Amino acid sequence: GEEVAQTPKHLVRGEGQKAKLYCAPIKGHSYVFWYQQVLKNEFKFLISFQNENVFDETGMPKERFSAKCLPNSPCSLEIQATKLEDSAVYFCASSPDRFSGANVLTFGAGSRLTVL
Amino acid sequence: DQQVKQNSPSLSVQEGRISILNCDYTNSMFDYFLWYKKYPAEGPTFLISISSIKDKNEDGRFTVFLNKSAKHLSLHIVPSQPGDSAVYFCARGTSYGKLTFGQGTILTVHP
Repeated sequence: GEEVAQTPKHLVRGEGQKAKLYCAPIKGHSYVFWYQQVLKNEFKFLISFQNENVFDETGMPKERFSAKCLPNSPCSLEIQATKLEDSAVYFCASSPDRFSGANVLTFGAGSRLTVL
Repeated sequence: DQQVKQNSPSLSVQEGRISILNCDYTNSMFDYFLWYKKYPAEGPTFLISISSIKDKNEDGRFTVFLNKSAKHLSLHIVPSQPGDSAVYFCARGTSYGKLTFGQGTILTVHP
């Protein structure tokens, strides 16, 4: 499709539970990015993929966060043992090729995670 | 640390007038700056970008200026329209697509 599709739109979890978010990038886009936005503040980069390979994971909290992009499946971001501070909107974005300023990131509508 | 700062949390402008949104950065190592616009409950939407080798880029009502000596970036919207009311984020982009965002500025355009 021509849009980045994220599911679910809203997810509620009790502290300590697992949360899993999904992202279908635009067909033909090679790069996928995950960003976290807490309390409408600035976006924090988490991880990027080039096809199914991790490209840059410098923003990922190593202990509880993991992500995958497998062939013929939506990409996923999983949080084990959620904490209150994980409450945020998680945005997925994709781009067609190595970024050049002309190939900009297209963002999905986001998945709001609420940890109670 | 490659910081991108938007020091004005909000801006209010009358319809038809110019809106000027500002952004400062602290490190010169970048490939592109971009401006994204965001409505509530939606993802950011790309507006305009500028490469490090340029001083100005224009697209319709939107113009971005880059002052490298001052490490300052600005977005001009002329004329402003009520539909421009949104949160505007400047972002630094690297060649491999990673974006570093500013904190955002809420623009309100009054009819």
